[in-house]
Parts: sequence; C-alpha cells; structure tokens
Amino acid sequence: NAGVTQTPKFQVLKTGQSMTLQCAQDMNHEYMSWYRQDPGMGLRLIHYSVGAGITDQGEVPNGYNVSRSTTEDFPLRLLSAAPSQTSVYFCASSYAPTYEQYFGPGTRLTVT
Amino acid sequence: GESVGLHLPTLSVQEGDNSIINCAYSNSASDYFIWYKQESGKGPQFIIDIRSNMDKRQGQRVTVLLNKTVKHLSLQIAATQPGDSAVYFCAEINAGNMLTFGGGTRLMVKP
Repeated sequence: NAGVTQTPKFQVLKTGQSMTLQCAQDMNHEYMSWYRQDPGMGLRLIHYSVGAGITDQGEVPNGYNVSRSTTEDFPLRLLSAAPSQTSVYFCASSYAPTYEQYFGPGTRLTVT
Repeated sequence: GESVGLHLPTLSVQEGDNSIINCAYSNSASDYFIWYKQESGKGPQFIIDIRSNMDKRQGQRVTVLLNKTVKHLSLQIAATQPGDSAVYFCAEINAGNMLTFGGGTRLMVKP
C-alpha cells in the first residue's frame, strides 16, 4: 500500500491564482480530511469527508473547496490564492474520526 | 472558544532519561485523545490514543495518562532516545467528530 499520497510537494502561486492540491489513499478509508499547518503551530482542520459524496467544513474553511467523488480521492481547491494561505497542507485518512489517522507527506504552498 | 493546548513549547532531556509532555484541554465533552509525533518535513505520525473511559494506556516505551478531573493529558516516553526528537502534538475529538490539535511541544534529546 502507498498509504496517503499528496501532490505536488511544493508549489508557488501568485495572488489570485487558483490550484488544486491532490490527495489519494489506497486503504479504503471512509474518513478523509485536510489540514493546514502554519510555522510553529499545530494543525487546523480545513474540510473533511466521512465518505464519497459527503463533505463538511472544519475550523478554517474559507477560501477552500473540496469534493469527494470517490473513496480514494479528496482534492482541495484554492479558489483565489492569498498570501495568508501560505502554509503546509496535510491530507489524512482513517476508517473513522475516532480511529488512527494516517497523514500524507504534505504540500508546502507559498503565495506571493 | 474551547481548545487544546500545551504548557511547554520546548523540552530538552538527556538521552536515557524519561520525558513527560503535558497538554491541557478545555472541552469536557471530548471523548477521544491522541498523541502525534511530527519529525521535520514530515506529516504527523500516530503514537498512542486514549478514550475518556480510561485514565492510562501503555504502548512500547510510551504511556498516556488522562486526568479528566483537571482536564489534563500527558505523554510519558521512557528511556528517551535521539530518534524521539520531534514535535509532539496532543489532539482531541470533539462532539462534532472534528480533530482539534494543540500547539505542539518540541522535544530535544541531548546525547
């Protein structure tokens, strides 16, 4: 199993550009989520999904969209990038919220 | 708002000593707590978890203690090794099934 994979590893955007961060898992997990981690801080939940076709907002959802058309994939879309979205983004998956979550390696995003 | 937090931002210990990392939480309705280890440039890695109906859980070299009376969580690492150097986060699951992370403690192990 590859576990949780994320692409790209690094990305630089200009203010106003849009892009999609990819996340995929091959463990047949129902629960997937996106977090952002700012320097010296813990992770904050952006959006999560409890199964295909179902998504919900986390703590900091503004400026981000998600969709869950398949169990395996959970892309995160930045609609119009802003410098405040400069961060490291982690995707995670698990059988359920109260089970061990497996994290991807992260995407480091810089918005200039 | 309710949050999960940590008392110490940095903990420095000698190799071979025991380490204790503390965490305070304020959401009394949380029923599941997790400790994660994050090495530089990597995603968080699950260490150990505990449910609110327990007060202690042991793994390999790690023990998590939960004191619901004072809303306190701790992670004990026995015989700390250089490979234990990382940032450690506590996290809780709230009633909405959202995972909320604390701010993190950096553990530095001196050889």
